[in-house]
Amino acid sequence: DGGITQSPKYLFRKEGQNVTLSCEQNLNHDAMYWYRQDPGQGLRLIYYSQIVNDFQKGDIAEGYSVSREKKESFPLTVTSAQKNPTAFYLCASSIRQGHGSSYEQYFGPGTRLTVT
Amino acid sequence: QQPVQSPQAVILREGEDAVINCSSSKALYSVHWYRQKHGEAPVFLMILLKGGEQKGHEKISASFNEKKQQSSLYLTASQLSYSGTYFCGTDAKDSSYKLIFGSGTRLLVRP
Repeated sequence: DGGITQSPKYLFRKEGQNVTLSCEQNLNHDAMYWYRQDPGQGLRLIYYSQIVNDFQKGDIAEGYSVSREKKESFPLTVTSAQKNPTAFYLCASSIRQGHGSSYEQYFGPGTRLTVT
Repeated sequence: QQPVQSPQAVILREGEDAVINCSSSKALYSVHWYRQKHGEAPVFLMILLKGGEQKGHEKISASFNEKKQQSSLYLTASQLSYSGTYFCGTDAKDSSYKLIFGSGTRLLVRP
């Protein structure tokens, strides 16, 4: 079955440690995204990538980093510089992206990160 | 700028109808609608494009007023499975492509 996988589902870290969240898709989608969701809030875009080896900052990129070395993989690193990293992180993909496109986003199951 | 959704929450009896609204201060190319159940990933419902094109589930209906930058999602004859949080995402003309999501509308359908 095609889809997006994120691992792990739950992640616990101590403050000051970097942590990398995995996102893999086998949908052959060009575009991939990382969102952060806080309780009772909408989705806020962290980073997105339209093509391999290229990515752009979203609205809340500070304290995060990404890489896109393979089409199917888009890992997110939450660095120690992120002041409030505890949140639910969602990865998504779409066939491609562009203004006015009709390409929906497919979301992974998410990773709930807790930093203490 | 984040689109504004209304109402913030709504409770229905099974079989009742509801309308969820999404309003943006920016000119839009499109509006996306997603539903998220607690602790799960958002699931695509519909895309409404400038010019009237729509793409989505047959049982879901929605509208997009391009002049007012507003969209509405119509949930008719609600079922228990409709419960969840509904998000609209807007693709605005004044920025590079990305979806800006509203803060969501919580819908609870009771038997």
